[in-house]
Amino acid sequence: SQTIHQWPATLVQPVGSPLSLECTVEGTSNPNLYWYRQAAGRGLQLLFYSVGIGQISSEVPQNLSASRPQDRQFILSSKKLLLSDSGFYLCAWSPGRLGNEQFFGPGTRLTVL
Amino acid sequence: TQLLEQSPQFLSIQEGENLTVYCNSSSVFSSLQWYRQEPGEGPVLLVTVVTGGEVKKLKRLTFQFGDARKDSSLHITAAQPGDTGLYLCAGVESNDYKLSFGAGTTVTVRA
Repeated sequence: SQTIHQWPATLVQPVGSPLSLECTVEGTSNPNLYWYRQAAGRGLQLLFYSVGIGQISSEVPQNLSASRPQDRQFILSSKKLLLSDSGFYLCAWSPGRLGNEQFFGPGTRLTVL
Repeated sequence: TQLLEQSPQFLSIQEGENLTVYCNSSSVFSSLQWYRQEPGEGPVLLVTVVTGGEVKKLKRLTFQFGDARKDSSLHITAAQPGDTGLYLCAGVESNDYKLSFGAGTTVTVRA
């Protein structure tokens, strides 16, 4: 069966510091991968998605970037965090076909102070 | 502006009562999904509907996809405290990899 991991689970970082959040998927090949940010109790905002190694599509211009160095690894980064980067970050995967449902990781709670 | 509008935003009911959550859009979707999320965790997929007019039942939960594939509803019968959570609808437009999420409905079932 497929599983998706995210780490760290929680993170507190000062303004201006770098960020690296990691997501890995097991039990599947060629998944589509997604990064979302969620405000408290609200819907999900798509940040980036990837349909293959090295292929990244950005949905919202911002202080963040994403990379996919391996088939089942997706990384969210920032060179300098802003207060507004605080939030709950979720990684998800879907089978490599158009329009399929997505399966989410446990999330990372990021607080920027 | 959200592509998918969910209503109500908040719903608080007593155990045993019924509830309905709505998800509406002016866009046509090739499929629509419902997720439930508990605090501090990722959303969990409940159901996918793909055919206009489709009705799916999952124990006490009934999901309906509108005939025109622009709207959906989630009905819970005899709600229990374990049904408490954030319910999210999400739609996929044709030939797309991306899901568009509604803003969510927070459901609280009081014992």
